[in-house]
Amino acid sequence: DAGVIQSPRHEVTEMGQEVTLRCKPISGHDYLFWYRQTMMRGLELLIYFNNNVPIDDSGMPEDRFSAKMPNASFSTLKIQPSEPRDSAVYFCASSLTNTYNEQFFGPGTRLTVL
Amino acid sequence: DQQVKQNSPSLSVQEGRISILNCDYTNSMFDYFLWYKKYPAEGPTFLISISSIKDKNEDGRFTVFLNKSAKHLSLHIVPSQPGDSAVYFCAANDRNAGNMLTFGGGTRLMVKP
Repeated sequence: DAGVIQSPRHEVTEMGQEVTLRCKPISGHDYLFWYRQTMMRGLELLIYFNNNVPIDDSGMPEDRFSAKMPNASFSTLKIQPSEPRDSAVYFCASSLTNTYNEQFFGPGTRLTVL
Repeated sequence: DQQVKQNSPSLSVQEGRISILNCDYTNSMFDYFLWYKKYPAEGPTFLISISSIKDKNEDGRFTVFLNKSAKHLSLHIVPSQPGDSAVYFCAANDRNAGNMLTFGGGTRLMVKP
């Protein structure tokens, strides 16, 4: 299995622009998680899905952030408009219900908003 | 309010010696704990876990200890190797509340040859 795939690996954009991050979870996994890692806040959960349905989005910082999972093999995290404080590494992870919460992470997308 | 804390941002250890990474939590509902390891430019990878019904779990050079009364867990690496140099995150889960993990801020371990 290829593992969790994220694209792009790096994104540099200007303040005010729309940013879309993409994730393909491991085939057969029924949970998908979006995390953000910053120096100040460490690794924080933004939102997670179960069977393509958003379960908890309490970690989404603002209305500028939105996430979708149109099918079991694809999810997006969108920031519109982007701000410099959104600069961080964004990770996607997936897991199976019965794996005692062992989550498999993608390589991350490093976002820089100028 | 950080529910999972790793108070040491970094740790330096000589090769062959023991590395001890610590983690404290505040939520008494947490009943499952995990350690993840992260190399630069990669995502975290699962290392070892422990259920709250146990106080120790061992996997090769890695052992996790859980002290529920103190709300404290630790990861021991013996012997430490230069390839163990990475950032280590502890994470906790309340399995009755769903599959969310709450992560600590991480500890950067440097193992010197």
